[in-house]
Amino acid sequence: GENVEQHPSTLSVQEGDSAVIKCTYSDSASNYFPWYKQELGKRPQLIIDIRSNVGEKKDQRIAVTLNKTAKHFSLHITETQPEDSAVYFCAASGVSNYQLIWGAGTKLIIKP
Amino acid sequence: NAGVTQTPKFQVLKTGQSMTLQCAQDMNHNSMYWYRQDPGMGLRLIYYSASEGTTDKGEVPNGYNVSRLNKREFSLRLESAAPSQTSVYFCAGTSSSSYNEQFFGPGTRLTVL
Repeated sequence: GENVEQHPSTLSVQEGDSAVIKCTYSDSASNYFPWYKQELGKRPQLIIDIRSNVGEKKDQRIAVTLNKTAKHFSLHITETQPEDSAVYFCAASGVSNYQLIWGAGTKLIIKP
Repeated sequence: NAGVTQTPKFQVLKTGQSMTLQCAQDMNHNSMYWYRQDPGMGLRLIYYSASEGTTDKGEVPNGYNVSRLNKREFSLRLESAAPSQTSVYFCAGTSSSSYNEQFFGPGTRLTVL
């Protein structure tokens, strides 16, 4: 079935360093790949997304890259700050036009 | 603009009790979703409604029913609660039939004893 694998499950980086989270998807028909951030006790919120006709997208310190051939996409956060500490989820569009298949999440810890 | 709202915020049930989780949105979303999130886990889709008047099963529909009452409201019902249904439940909506941002409600934390 459709599946999205996300790694690592926990990532600890020094404040100011970069963080990279990777996801692999199984359905070659997937064409939409969002990333959500969930702070402790809060709701998930979209931080960036990419569609299959684009290889890279940037928004200030955040970027997402997509490799359709290898079926993987990555979230890059540069110059990490304490407020970046959260759980990050990747997702990929499923067979149904209305569903997203979610990764298991990455807990990002920013060390002062 | 309240966005996506959910009631209640917290609920404790005994095994076998029933309850309905309410979700409403004022963002003119066509599609709405119910997810559950277990501790340290990702989001699992329970049911979704692609448009008013339609509902479909997601990944984990057993033990749940839904109603898309109108375009604004999408409720989730537990007919006979079980401890395995202890979770945080999120409602979400999206405004387009194509892929787009899903806006989440604040969640309902449900404990079944």
